[in-house]
Amino acid sequence: IAGITQAPTSQILAAGRRMTLRCTQDMRHNAMYWYRQDLGLGLRLIHYSNTAGTTGKGEVPDGYSVSRANTDDFPLTLASAVPSQTSVYFCASSDSYRVSGANVLTFGAGSRLTVL
Amino acid sequence: GENVEQHPSTLSVQEGDSAVIKCTYSDSASNYFPWYKQELGKRPQLIIDIRSNVGEKKDQRIAVTLNKTAKHFSLHITETQPEDSAVYFCAASKDTGFQKLVFGTGTRLLVSP
Repeated sequence: IAGITQAPTSQILAAGRRMTLRCTQDMRHNAMYWYRQDLGLGLRLIHYSNTAGTTGKGEVPDGYSVSRANTDDFPLTLASAVPSQTSVYFCASSDSYRVSGANVLTFGAGSRLTVL
Repeated sequence: GENVEQHPSTLSVQEGDSAVIKCTYSDSASNYFPWYKQELGKRPQLIIDIRSNVGEKKDQRIAVTLNKTAKHFSLHITETQPEDSAVYFCAASKDTGFQKLVFGTGTRLLVSP
């Protein structure tokens, strides 16, 4: 089934530890995104990538890094986790080359991260 | 950059009533306005979108209206049903090529039987 796969589904992590959230899509979408969802704050963009080999910073990039070695994978890394990074993380993708629907996002199922 | 405000944060209606969620945006260059629905524990999914060359778009029981002059757009759900209960997010961006959607803070809609 085409779509986006995220892993892990949930994780409890000690503060100061390094963590990588994985995201893989099989739709050959060129654009990929990482959002965090917090109650009352909606979906906030962390990092994005318009194409393999390029990445950019979103609204809340501090403490996070991403890479885009190929079209399908877009991992998000927390180098040294802090409690304020407790959140639900959603990976998303879009085909921005489409004439119509260029910005329609397909979301993954989310990764719930708790930093203690 | 773009800023999107969404109201109300919570909305409770009786089954069969209508529900209206409103959003305002700041960047007059934005011309693409989608709405996403997120059921409890699920991922957000697009339910309807509108581009600035139209003022209203309908899809069965849901409709979206856009007022470019006032820079606001609204989601209208008629004949609400319990399965409409979810969090709804509005968003805004430009509509050419790669863009970054800016989301509102969400509205939790509860439809009581």
